[in-house]
Amino acid sequence: QVQLQESGPGLVKPSQTLSLTCAVSGGSIRSRGYFWTWVRQRPGKGPEWIGYIYDSGSTHYNPSLKSRLIISLDTSKNQFSLKLSSVTAADTAVYYCAGDYCIDGVCSGYDYWGQGTLVTVSS
Amino acid sequence: QSVLTQPPSASGTPGQRVTISCSGSSSNIGNNYVYWYQQVPGTAPKLLIFRNNQRPSGVPDRFSGSKSGTSASLAISGLRSEDEADYYCATWDDTLSGWVFGGGTKLTVL
Repeated sequence: QVQLQESGPGLVKPSQTLSLTCAVSGGSIRSRGYFWTWVRQRPGKGPEWIGYIYDSGSTHYNPSLKSRLIISLDTSKNQFSLKLSSVTAADTAVYYCAGDYCIDGVCSGYDYWGQGTLVTVSS
Repeated sequence: QSVLTQPPSASGTPGQRVTISCSGSSSNIGNNYVYWYQQVPGTAPKLLIFRNNQRPSGVPDRFSGSKSGTSASLAISGLRSEDEADYYCATWDDTLSGWVFGGGTKLTVL
């Protein structure tokens, strides 16, 4: 069973870069068909899709965050990462990593989730 | 404001059947599969329904999903106290080129 675990600072100063890592266990991050994703949830709001990276290393980002966002794979450590630059208080949220499995553009849904990590942007 | 519209709240008594709606447009629900997630506060979302009406293994058949045009619904029959949670619909949006979620429906079991 695939398991995901987020890690990273819980407090980031405004204008700095938010960096999180998601360790994947129980499966290879290079397995074909898997879309490794970041989702965030602001307090009291619904989830917001941030973006994903898939087995080839290709990425797809939320257009509203694209200019500040980098998602990358580290196959040697079986993990993927999120970097969001120039953060403001509006980026305060619980950040989740998640995994989806898709074949020929048809997806099974986000069946794998980390437990989530709260990141607060404050000076 | 979410691209997908859900009622903010729903309620029912144990044993009842409740339905949660999710309204979208031709660029999202109308042209793509719908997924439903259950989230107990303080925990990660859990996949409940995929591809409109499919249940992952381990999800009780009390939960069912349907889609018609640009709307979708989640039905919960035989309501139980442990069903009290927030429910979110999600789908791909062709115009935004990304996944979108509904604003969520808080289900209360009276």
